[in-house]
Amino acid sequence: DIVMTQTPLSLSVTPGQPASISCNSSQSLLHSDGKTYLYWYLQKPGQSPHLLIYELSSRFSGVPDRFSGSGSATDFTLKISRVEAEDVGVYYCMQGIDVPRTFGGGTKVEIK
Amino acid sequence: QVQLQESGPGLVKPSETLSLICTVSGGSIGNYYWTWIRQPAGKGLEWIGRIHMSGNTNYSPSLMSRLTMSMDTSKNQLSLKLRSVTAADTAIYYCARGGPLDYWGQGTLVTVSS
Repeated sequence: DIVMTQTPLSLSVTPGQPASISCNSSQSLLHSDGKTYLYWYLQKPGQSPHLLIYELSSRFSGVPDRFSGSGSATDFTLKISRVEAEDVGVYYCMQGIDVPRTFGGGTKVEIK
Repeated sequence: QVQLQESGPGLVKPSETLSLICTVSGGSIGNYYWTWIRQPAGKGLEWIGRIHMSGNTNYSPSLMSRLTMSMDTSKNQLSLKLRSVTAADTAIYYCARGGPLDYWGQGTLVTVSS
C-alpha cells in the first residue's frame, strides 16, 4: 500500500495569516496520463469530509481561491493564503493512483 | 446537487454482520465508482473499498475476507456488508462518489457491542 505522511499534526494560525500543510507519498502519484492523483479534504468539526483539491492543484467547485495545492510526484503542499475562522478542522491528503486508496493521518488546524 | 445518505442499524453484536445502505439522490449511480470509508471516533479516515456498476470492485486487503459491496441501480442504492464484526469495526461509515470522492454522505455511526 502507498503510505501517505502528513505534517504537521496540528497547526495554530492567526486569522489572516497563511498556513501550509505538507504531505508525502511512499510512491509516485504521477500517472502516465500526466495527472498527479493527489487529493485534499477538509473535515470541519462534526461534519463529513469534503473535497478541496483534486489532481494535485485543481480546486473543487465552490472552494475559495485562498486554497491552493502544489507539489511534485511524491511531495505535496496545501496552502491557505489567508486563514479564516471557517477553515478550522482536520485536513487530509489522499492518493488516488492505486488501490487501496490511502489517506494521510490528518492535520488539525486551529485558530489562535 | 448529488446527495448521499447512509442508513443502517446503529448497533451490531460481535460476530454478526454489519449491513449498510447508501441512497443516492440528484443523480444516477451509473458510470461512477462509489466508495465506502470509515472513521473510528477521534481517528483518521480508512478506505474500505469501492464498486462500479460494471461489477468491478476493489476492497481493502485488511477487510476483503469479510466484505461484500453491491449496487442496485433501480433504487440508486449501494450496499455494504461486513461479516464477523468486532469492536474494532466500530466507526462512522461514509459513502462517497468517484475517485475524487467529490460528494460524501453525512455518515452513520455503527457501534459493535453486545
